Amino acid sequence: EAQVTQNPRYLITVTGKKLTVTCSQNMNHEYMSWYRQDPGLGLRQIYYSMNVEVTDKGDVPEGYKVSRKEKRNFPLILESPSPNQTSLYFCASSLAGGNQPQHFGDGTRLSIL
Amino acid sequence: AQSVAQPEDQVKVAEGNPLTVKCTYSVSGNPYLFWYVQYPNRGLQFLLKYITGDNLVKGSYGFEAEFNKSQTSFHLKKPSALVSDSALYFCAVPDMKAAGNKLTFGGGTRVLVKP
Repeated sequence: EAQVTQNPRYLITVTGKKLTVTCSQNMNHEYMSWYRQDPGLGLRQIYYSMNVEVTDKGDVPEGYKVSRKEKRNFPLILESPSPNQTSLYFCASSLAGGNQPQHFGDGTRLSIL
Repeated sequence: AQSVAQPEDQVKVAEGNPLTVKCTYSVSGNPYLFWYVQYPNRGLQFLLKYITGDNLVKGSYGFEAEFNKSQTSFHLKKPSALVSDSALYFCAVPDMKAAGNKLTFGGGTRVLVKP
């Protein structure tokens, strides 16, 4: 089954404690992205990757890092989380090209205390 | 900058009645437009897209959308709504000038279908 898998689905942690949210896709997609979803603000892109070792900032990259060492994986790293990063996070993947639909994971709800 | 707007935060309809979720866009040139649906505790699922050609686009789960260039709209429709259609719906446009296949989303419309 074609899917994007995120882990963990839920996490409560404290300010400053490094965390990683993993994302893996099994569709051999070139493009991968991370979005955060906040009430009243919709979904905003954090980082994206167009292929292995090719990553770049989206609209709200501050406080986040990513890596793309393998085509299927695109982890999101919060090195020193802060309460304003409490949000619902989605990983997405797609084939190259703006007319390609994106496939989303089921989301990770992060609470930073 | 391109954008999409969903003027209604919430739409309520009775089961069996037609459902319309509105979206307007602001895009230079010919737009690509998408609709996604988000069920509780799930990620967004692709419903349909407009690329070019027919103004009526058919998608998943019996949904369709009508592209209207003169009104810059791309409304989502379903002739007969089901209770299971209750969800959050997003209109989106890809940023064709930016790398990374970035989608710009509308604010979302919550649909409630009453039995």
